[in-house]
Amino acid sequence: AQSVSQHNHHVILSEAASLELGCNYSYGGTVNLFWYVQYPGQHLQLLLKYFSGDPLVKGIKGFEAEFIKSKFSFNLRKPSVQWSDTAEYFCAVTAAGGYNKLIFGAGTRLAVHP
Amino acid sequence: EPEVTQTPSHQVTQMGQEVILRCVPISNHLYFYWYRQILGQKVEFLVSFYNNEISEKSEIFDDQFSVERPDGSNFTLKIRSTKLEDSAMYFCASSGAGANVLTFGAGSRLTVL
Repeated sequence: AQSVSQHNHHVILSEAASLELGCNYSYGGTVNLFWYVQYPGQHLQLLLKYFSGDPLVKGIKGFEAEFIKSKFSFNLRKPSVQWSDTAEYFCAVTAAGGYNKLIFGAGTRLAVHP
Repeated sequence: EPEVTQTPSHQVTQMGQEVILRCVPISNHLYFYWYRQILGQKVEFLVSFYNNEISEKSEIFDDQFSVERPDGSNFTLKIRSTKLEDSAMYFCASSGAGANVLTFGAGSRLTVL
C-alpha cells in the first residue's frame, strides 16, 4: 500500500530564511507526486506536481520540489520564505496512470515570523 | 478559475442525526472524491466516484456513509447516523479526464455533539 511520510510536523522560520520540507513515499511502482498548501481558513491548493520528465519542478509562489527516485523523496523548497507562506503543507502521492486516489502525508505546519 | 464549491461551510448536529454535505464539482470534471480531515490529523481518502458509481472506498467509508450524484451538478455525501468521531472537515474534490490532478473545495466542517 502507498504511504507518505513528512518528517517535520512544525517548522518555525524567520522571513527570508530558506525552507526545505521533507517528504518520502512508499510505493513500488511509478508515482505522481504533489504538494498542496492550506492557508489558514482556506481550502487545499495545488502548489506543484510531478508526473514525469525533469525531476526538479517549479510551482507557484516561488516553490520548487525535487523528485529523487532512488530516495523515494519529493522535498519542497523555497529559497526565501515570506510571512504569507504561513500555512500547512501536504505532500501527496498517487500511482501513475489513470485514476488513483491521493494519499496524503500528515502535513507540516509552517509558521513564518516577520 | 473554476472552483469546487461546498455547502454548508459549517454544520453542527446531534449524535444520531443524518447529515448531507453538498458539493458542486467543476463542470467538465469526471471524477469526484470525498476526503476528510479530523482536527490535527492527516487528510484521509473516503471515496471516489466515476460514471455514476463508487470506484473506490476506504475502510472509513462504512455503511453509514453514502454518496450520490442526484443531478448533473451536485455530488453529495450522506452520513446516516452521525457519531462523535465523525466530527471533521470534509473536503470534496474533482478531477478531469486525466484524473490525477484534484481540485479541492473549501471544506465543510461537521461538528457532532
